[in-house]
Amino acid sequence: GQSLEQPSEVTAVEGAIVQINCTYQTSGFYGLSWYQQHDGGAPTFLSYNALDGLEETGRFSSFLSRSDSYGYLLLQELQMKDSASYFCAVKNQGGKLIFGQGTELSVKP
Amino acid sequence: DTEVTQTPKHLVMGMTNKKSLKCEQHMGHRAMYWYKQKAKKPPELMFVYSYEKLSINESVPSRFSPECPNSSLLNLHLHALQPEDSALYLCASSQEQMEGELFFGEGSRLTVL
Repeated sequence: GQSLEQPSEVTAVEGAIVQINCTYQTSGFYGLSWYQQHDGGAPTFLSYNALDGLEETGRFSSFLSRSDSYGYLLLQELQMKDSASYFCAVKNQGGKLIFGQGTELSVKP
Repeated sequence: DTEVTQTPKHLVMGMTNKKSLKCEQHMGHRAMYWYKQKAKKPPELMFVYSYEKLSINESVPSRFSPECPNSSLLNLHLHALQPEDSALYLCASSQEQMEGELFFGEGSRLTVL
């Protein structure tokens, strides 16, 4: 089976840095993705890691350690508009993309 | 064009009705997906099509019937649904099935009375 664990809620202030961790158990791991979803909106792709290491895209970075079955999403210079739900999602070798339960990020002034 | 378009945006149906949800993309993607999402929950995978063939069915009840008429279109036919099937139904596409980047539509919000 597959399971993903991430914190349910995180709160931070504008301008701060926040890290959302994700640990996973899966048969046939292929890659780890991160998605952002605002209330009432569609999930939006943020990043994808298939290999170990750090991927940086603007204010967002994502890290993967395959040996530790662990990844994180790092959000820098937080803005109010970053308040949303963040999902890690595992792509397995069968081609399924399975989502974690999501982390609700609240950014305060 | 980097959009996935879903219609209708909202749908209310009775338990004896038959309706369809439609999804369209013109990005040349060869994999298309249906996900179901309840409030405050993650998207749950229902079906995956790859090159217009059904690749994955996550043991979805037969009252949900997917169809991929061509590489740009994906339908979800609904029949004899239950109130617990009320949810947001999300369509997504990716270049290939093994890609980690999915493009999602805005969803069809379904209410079953």
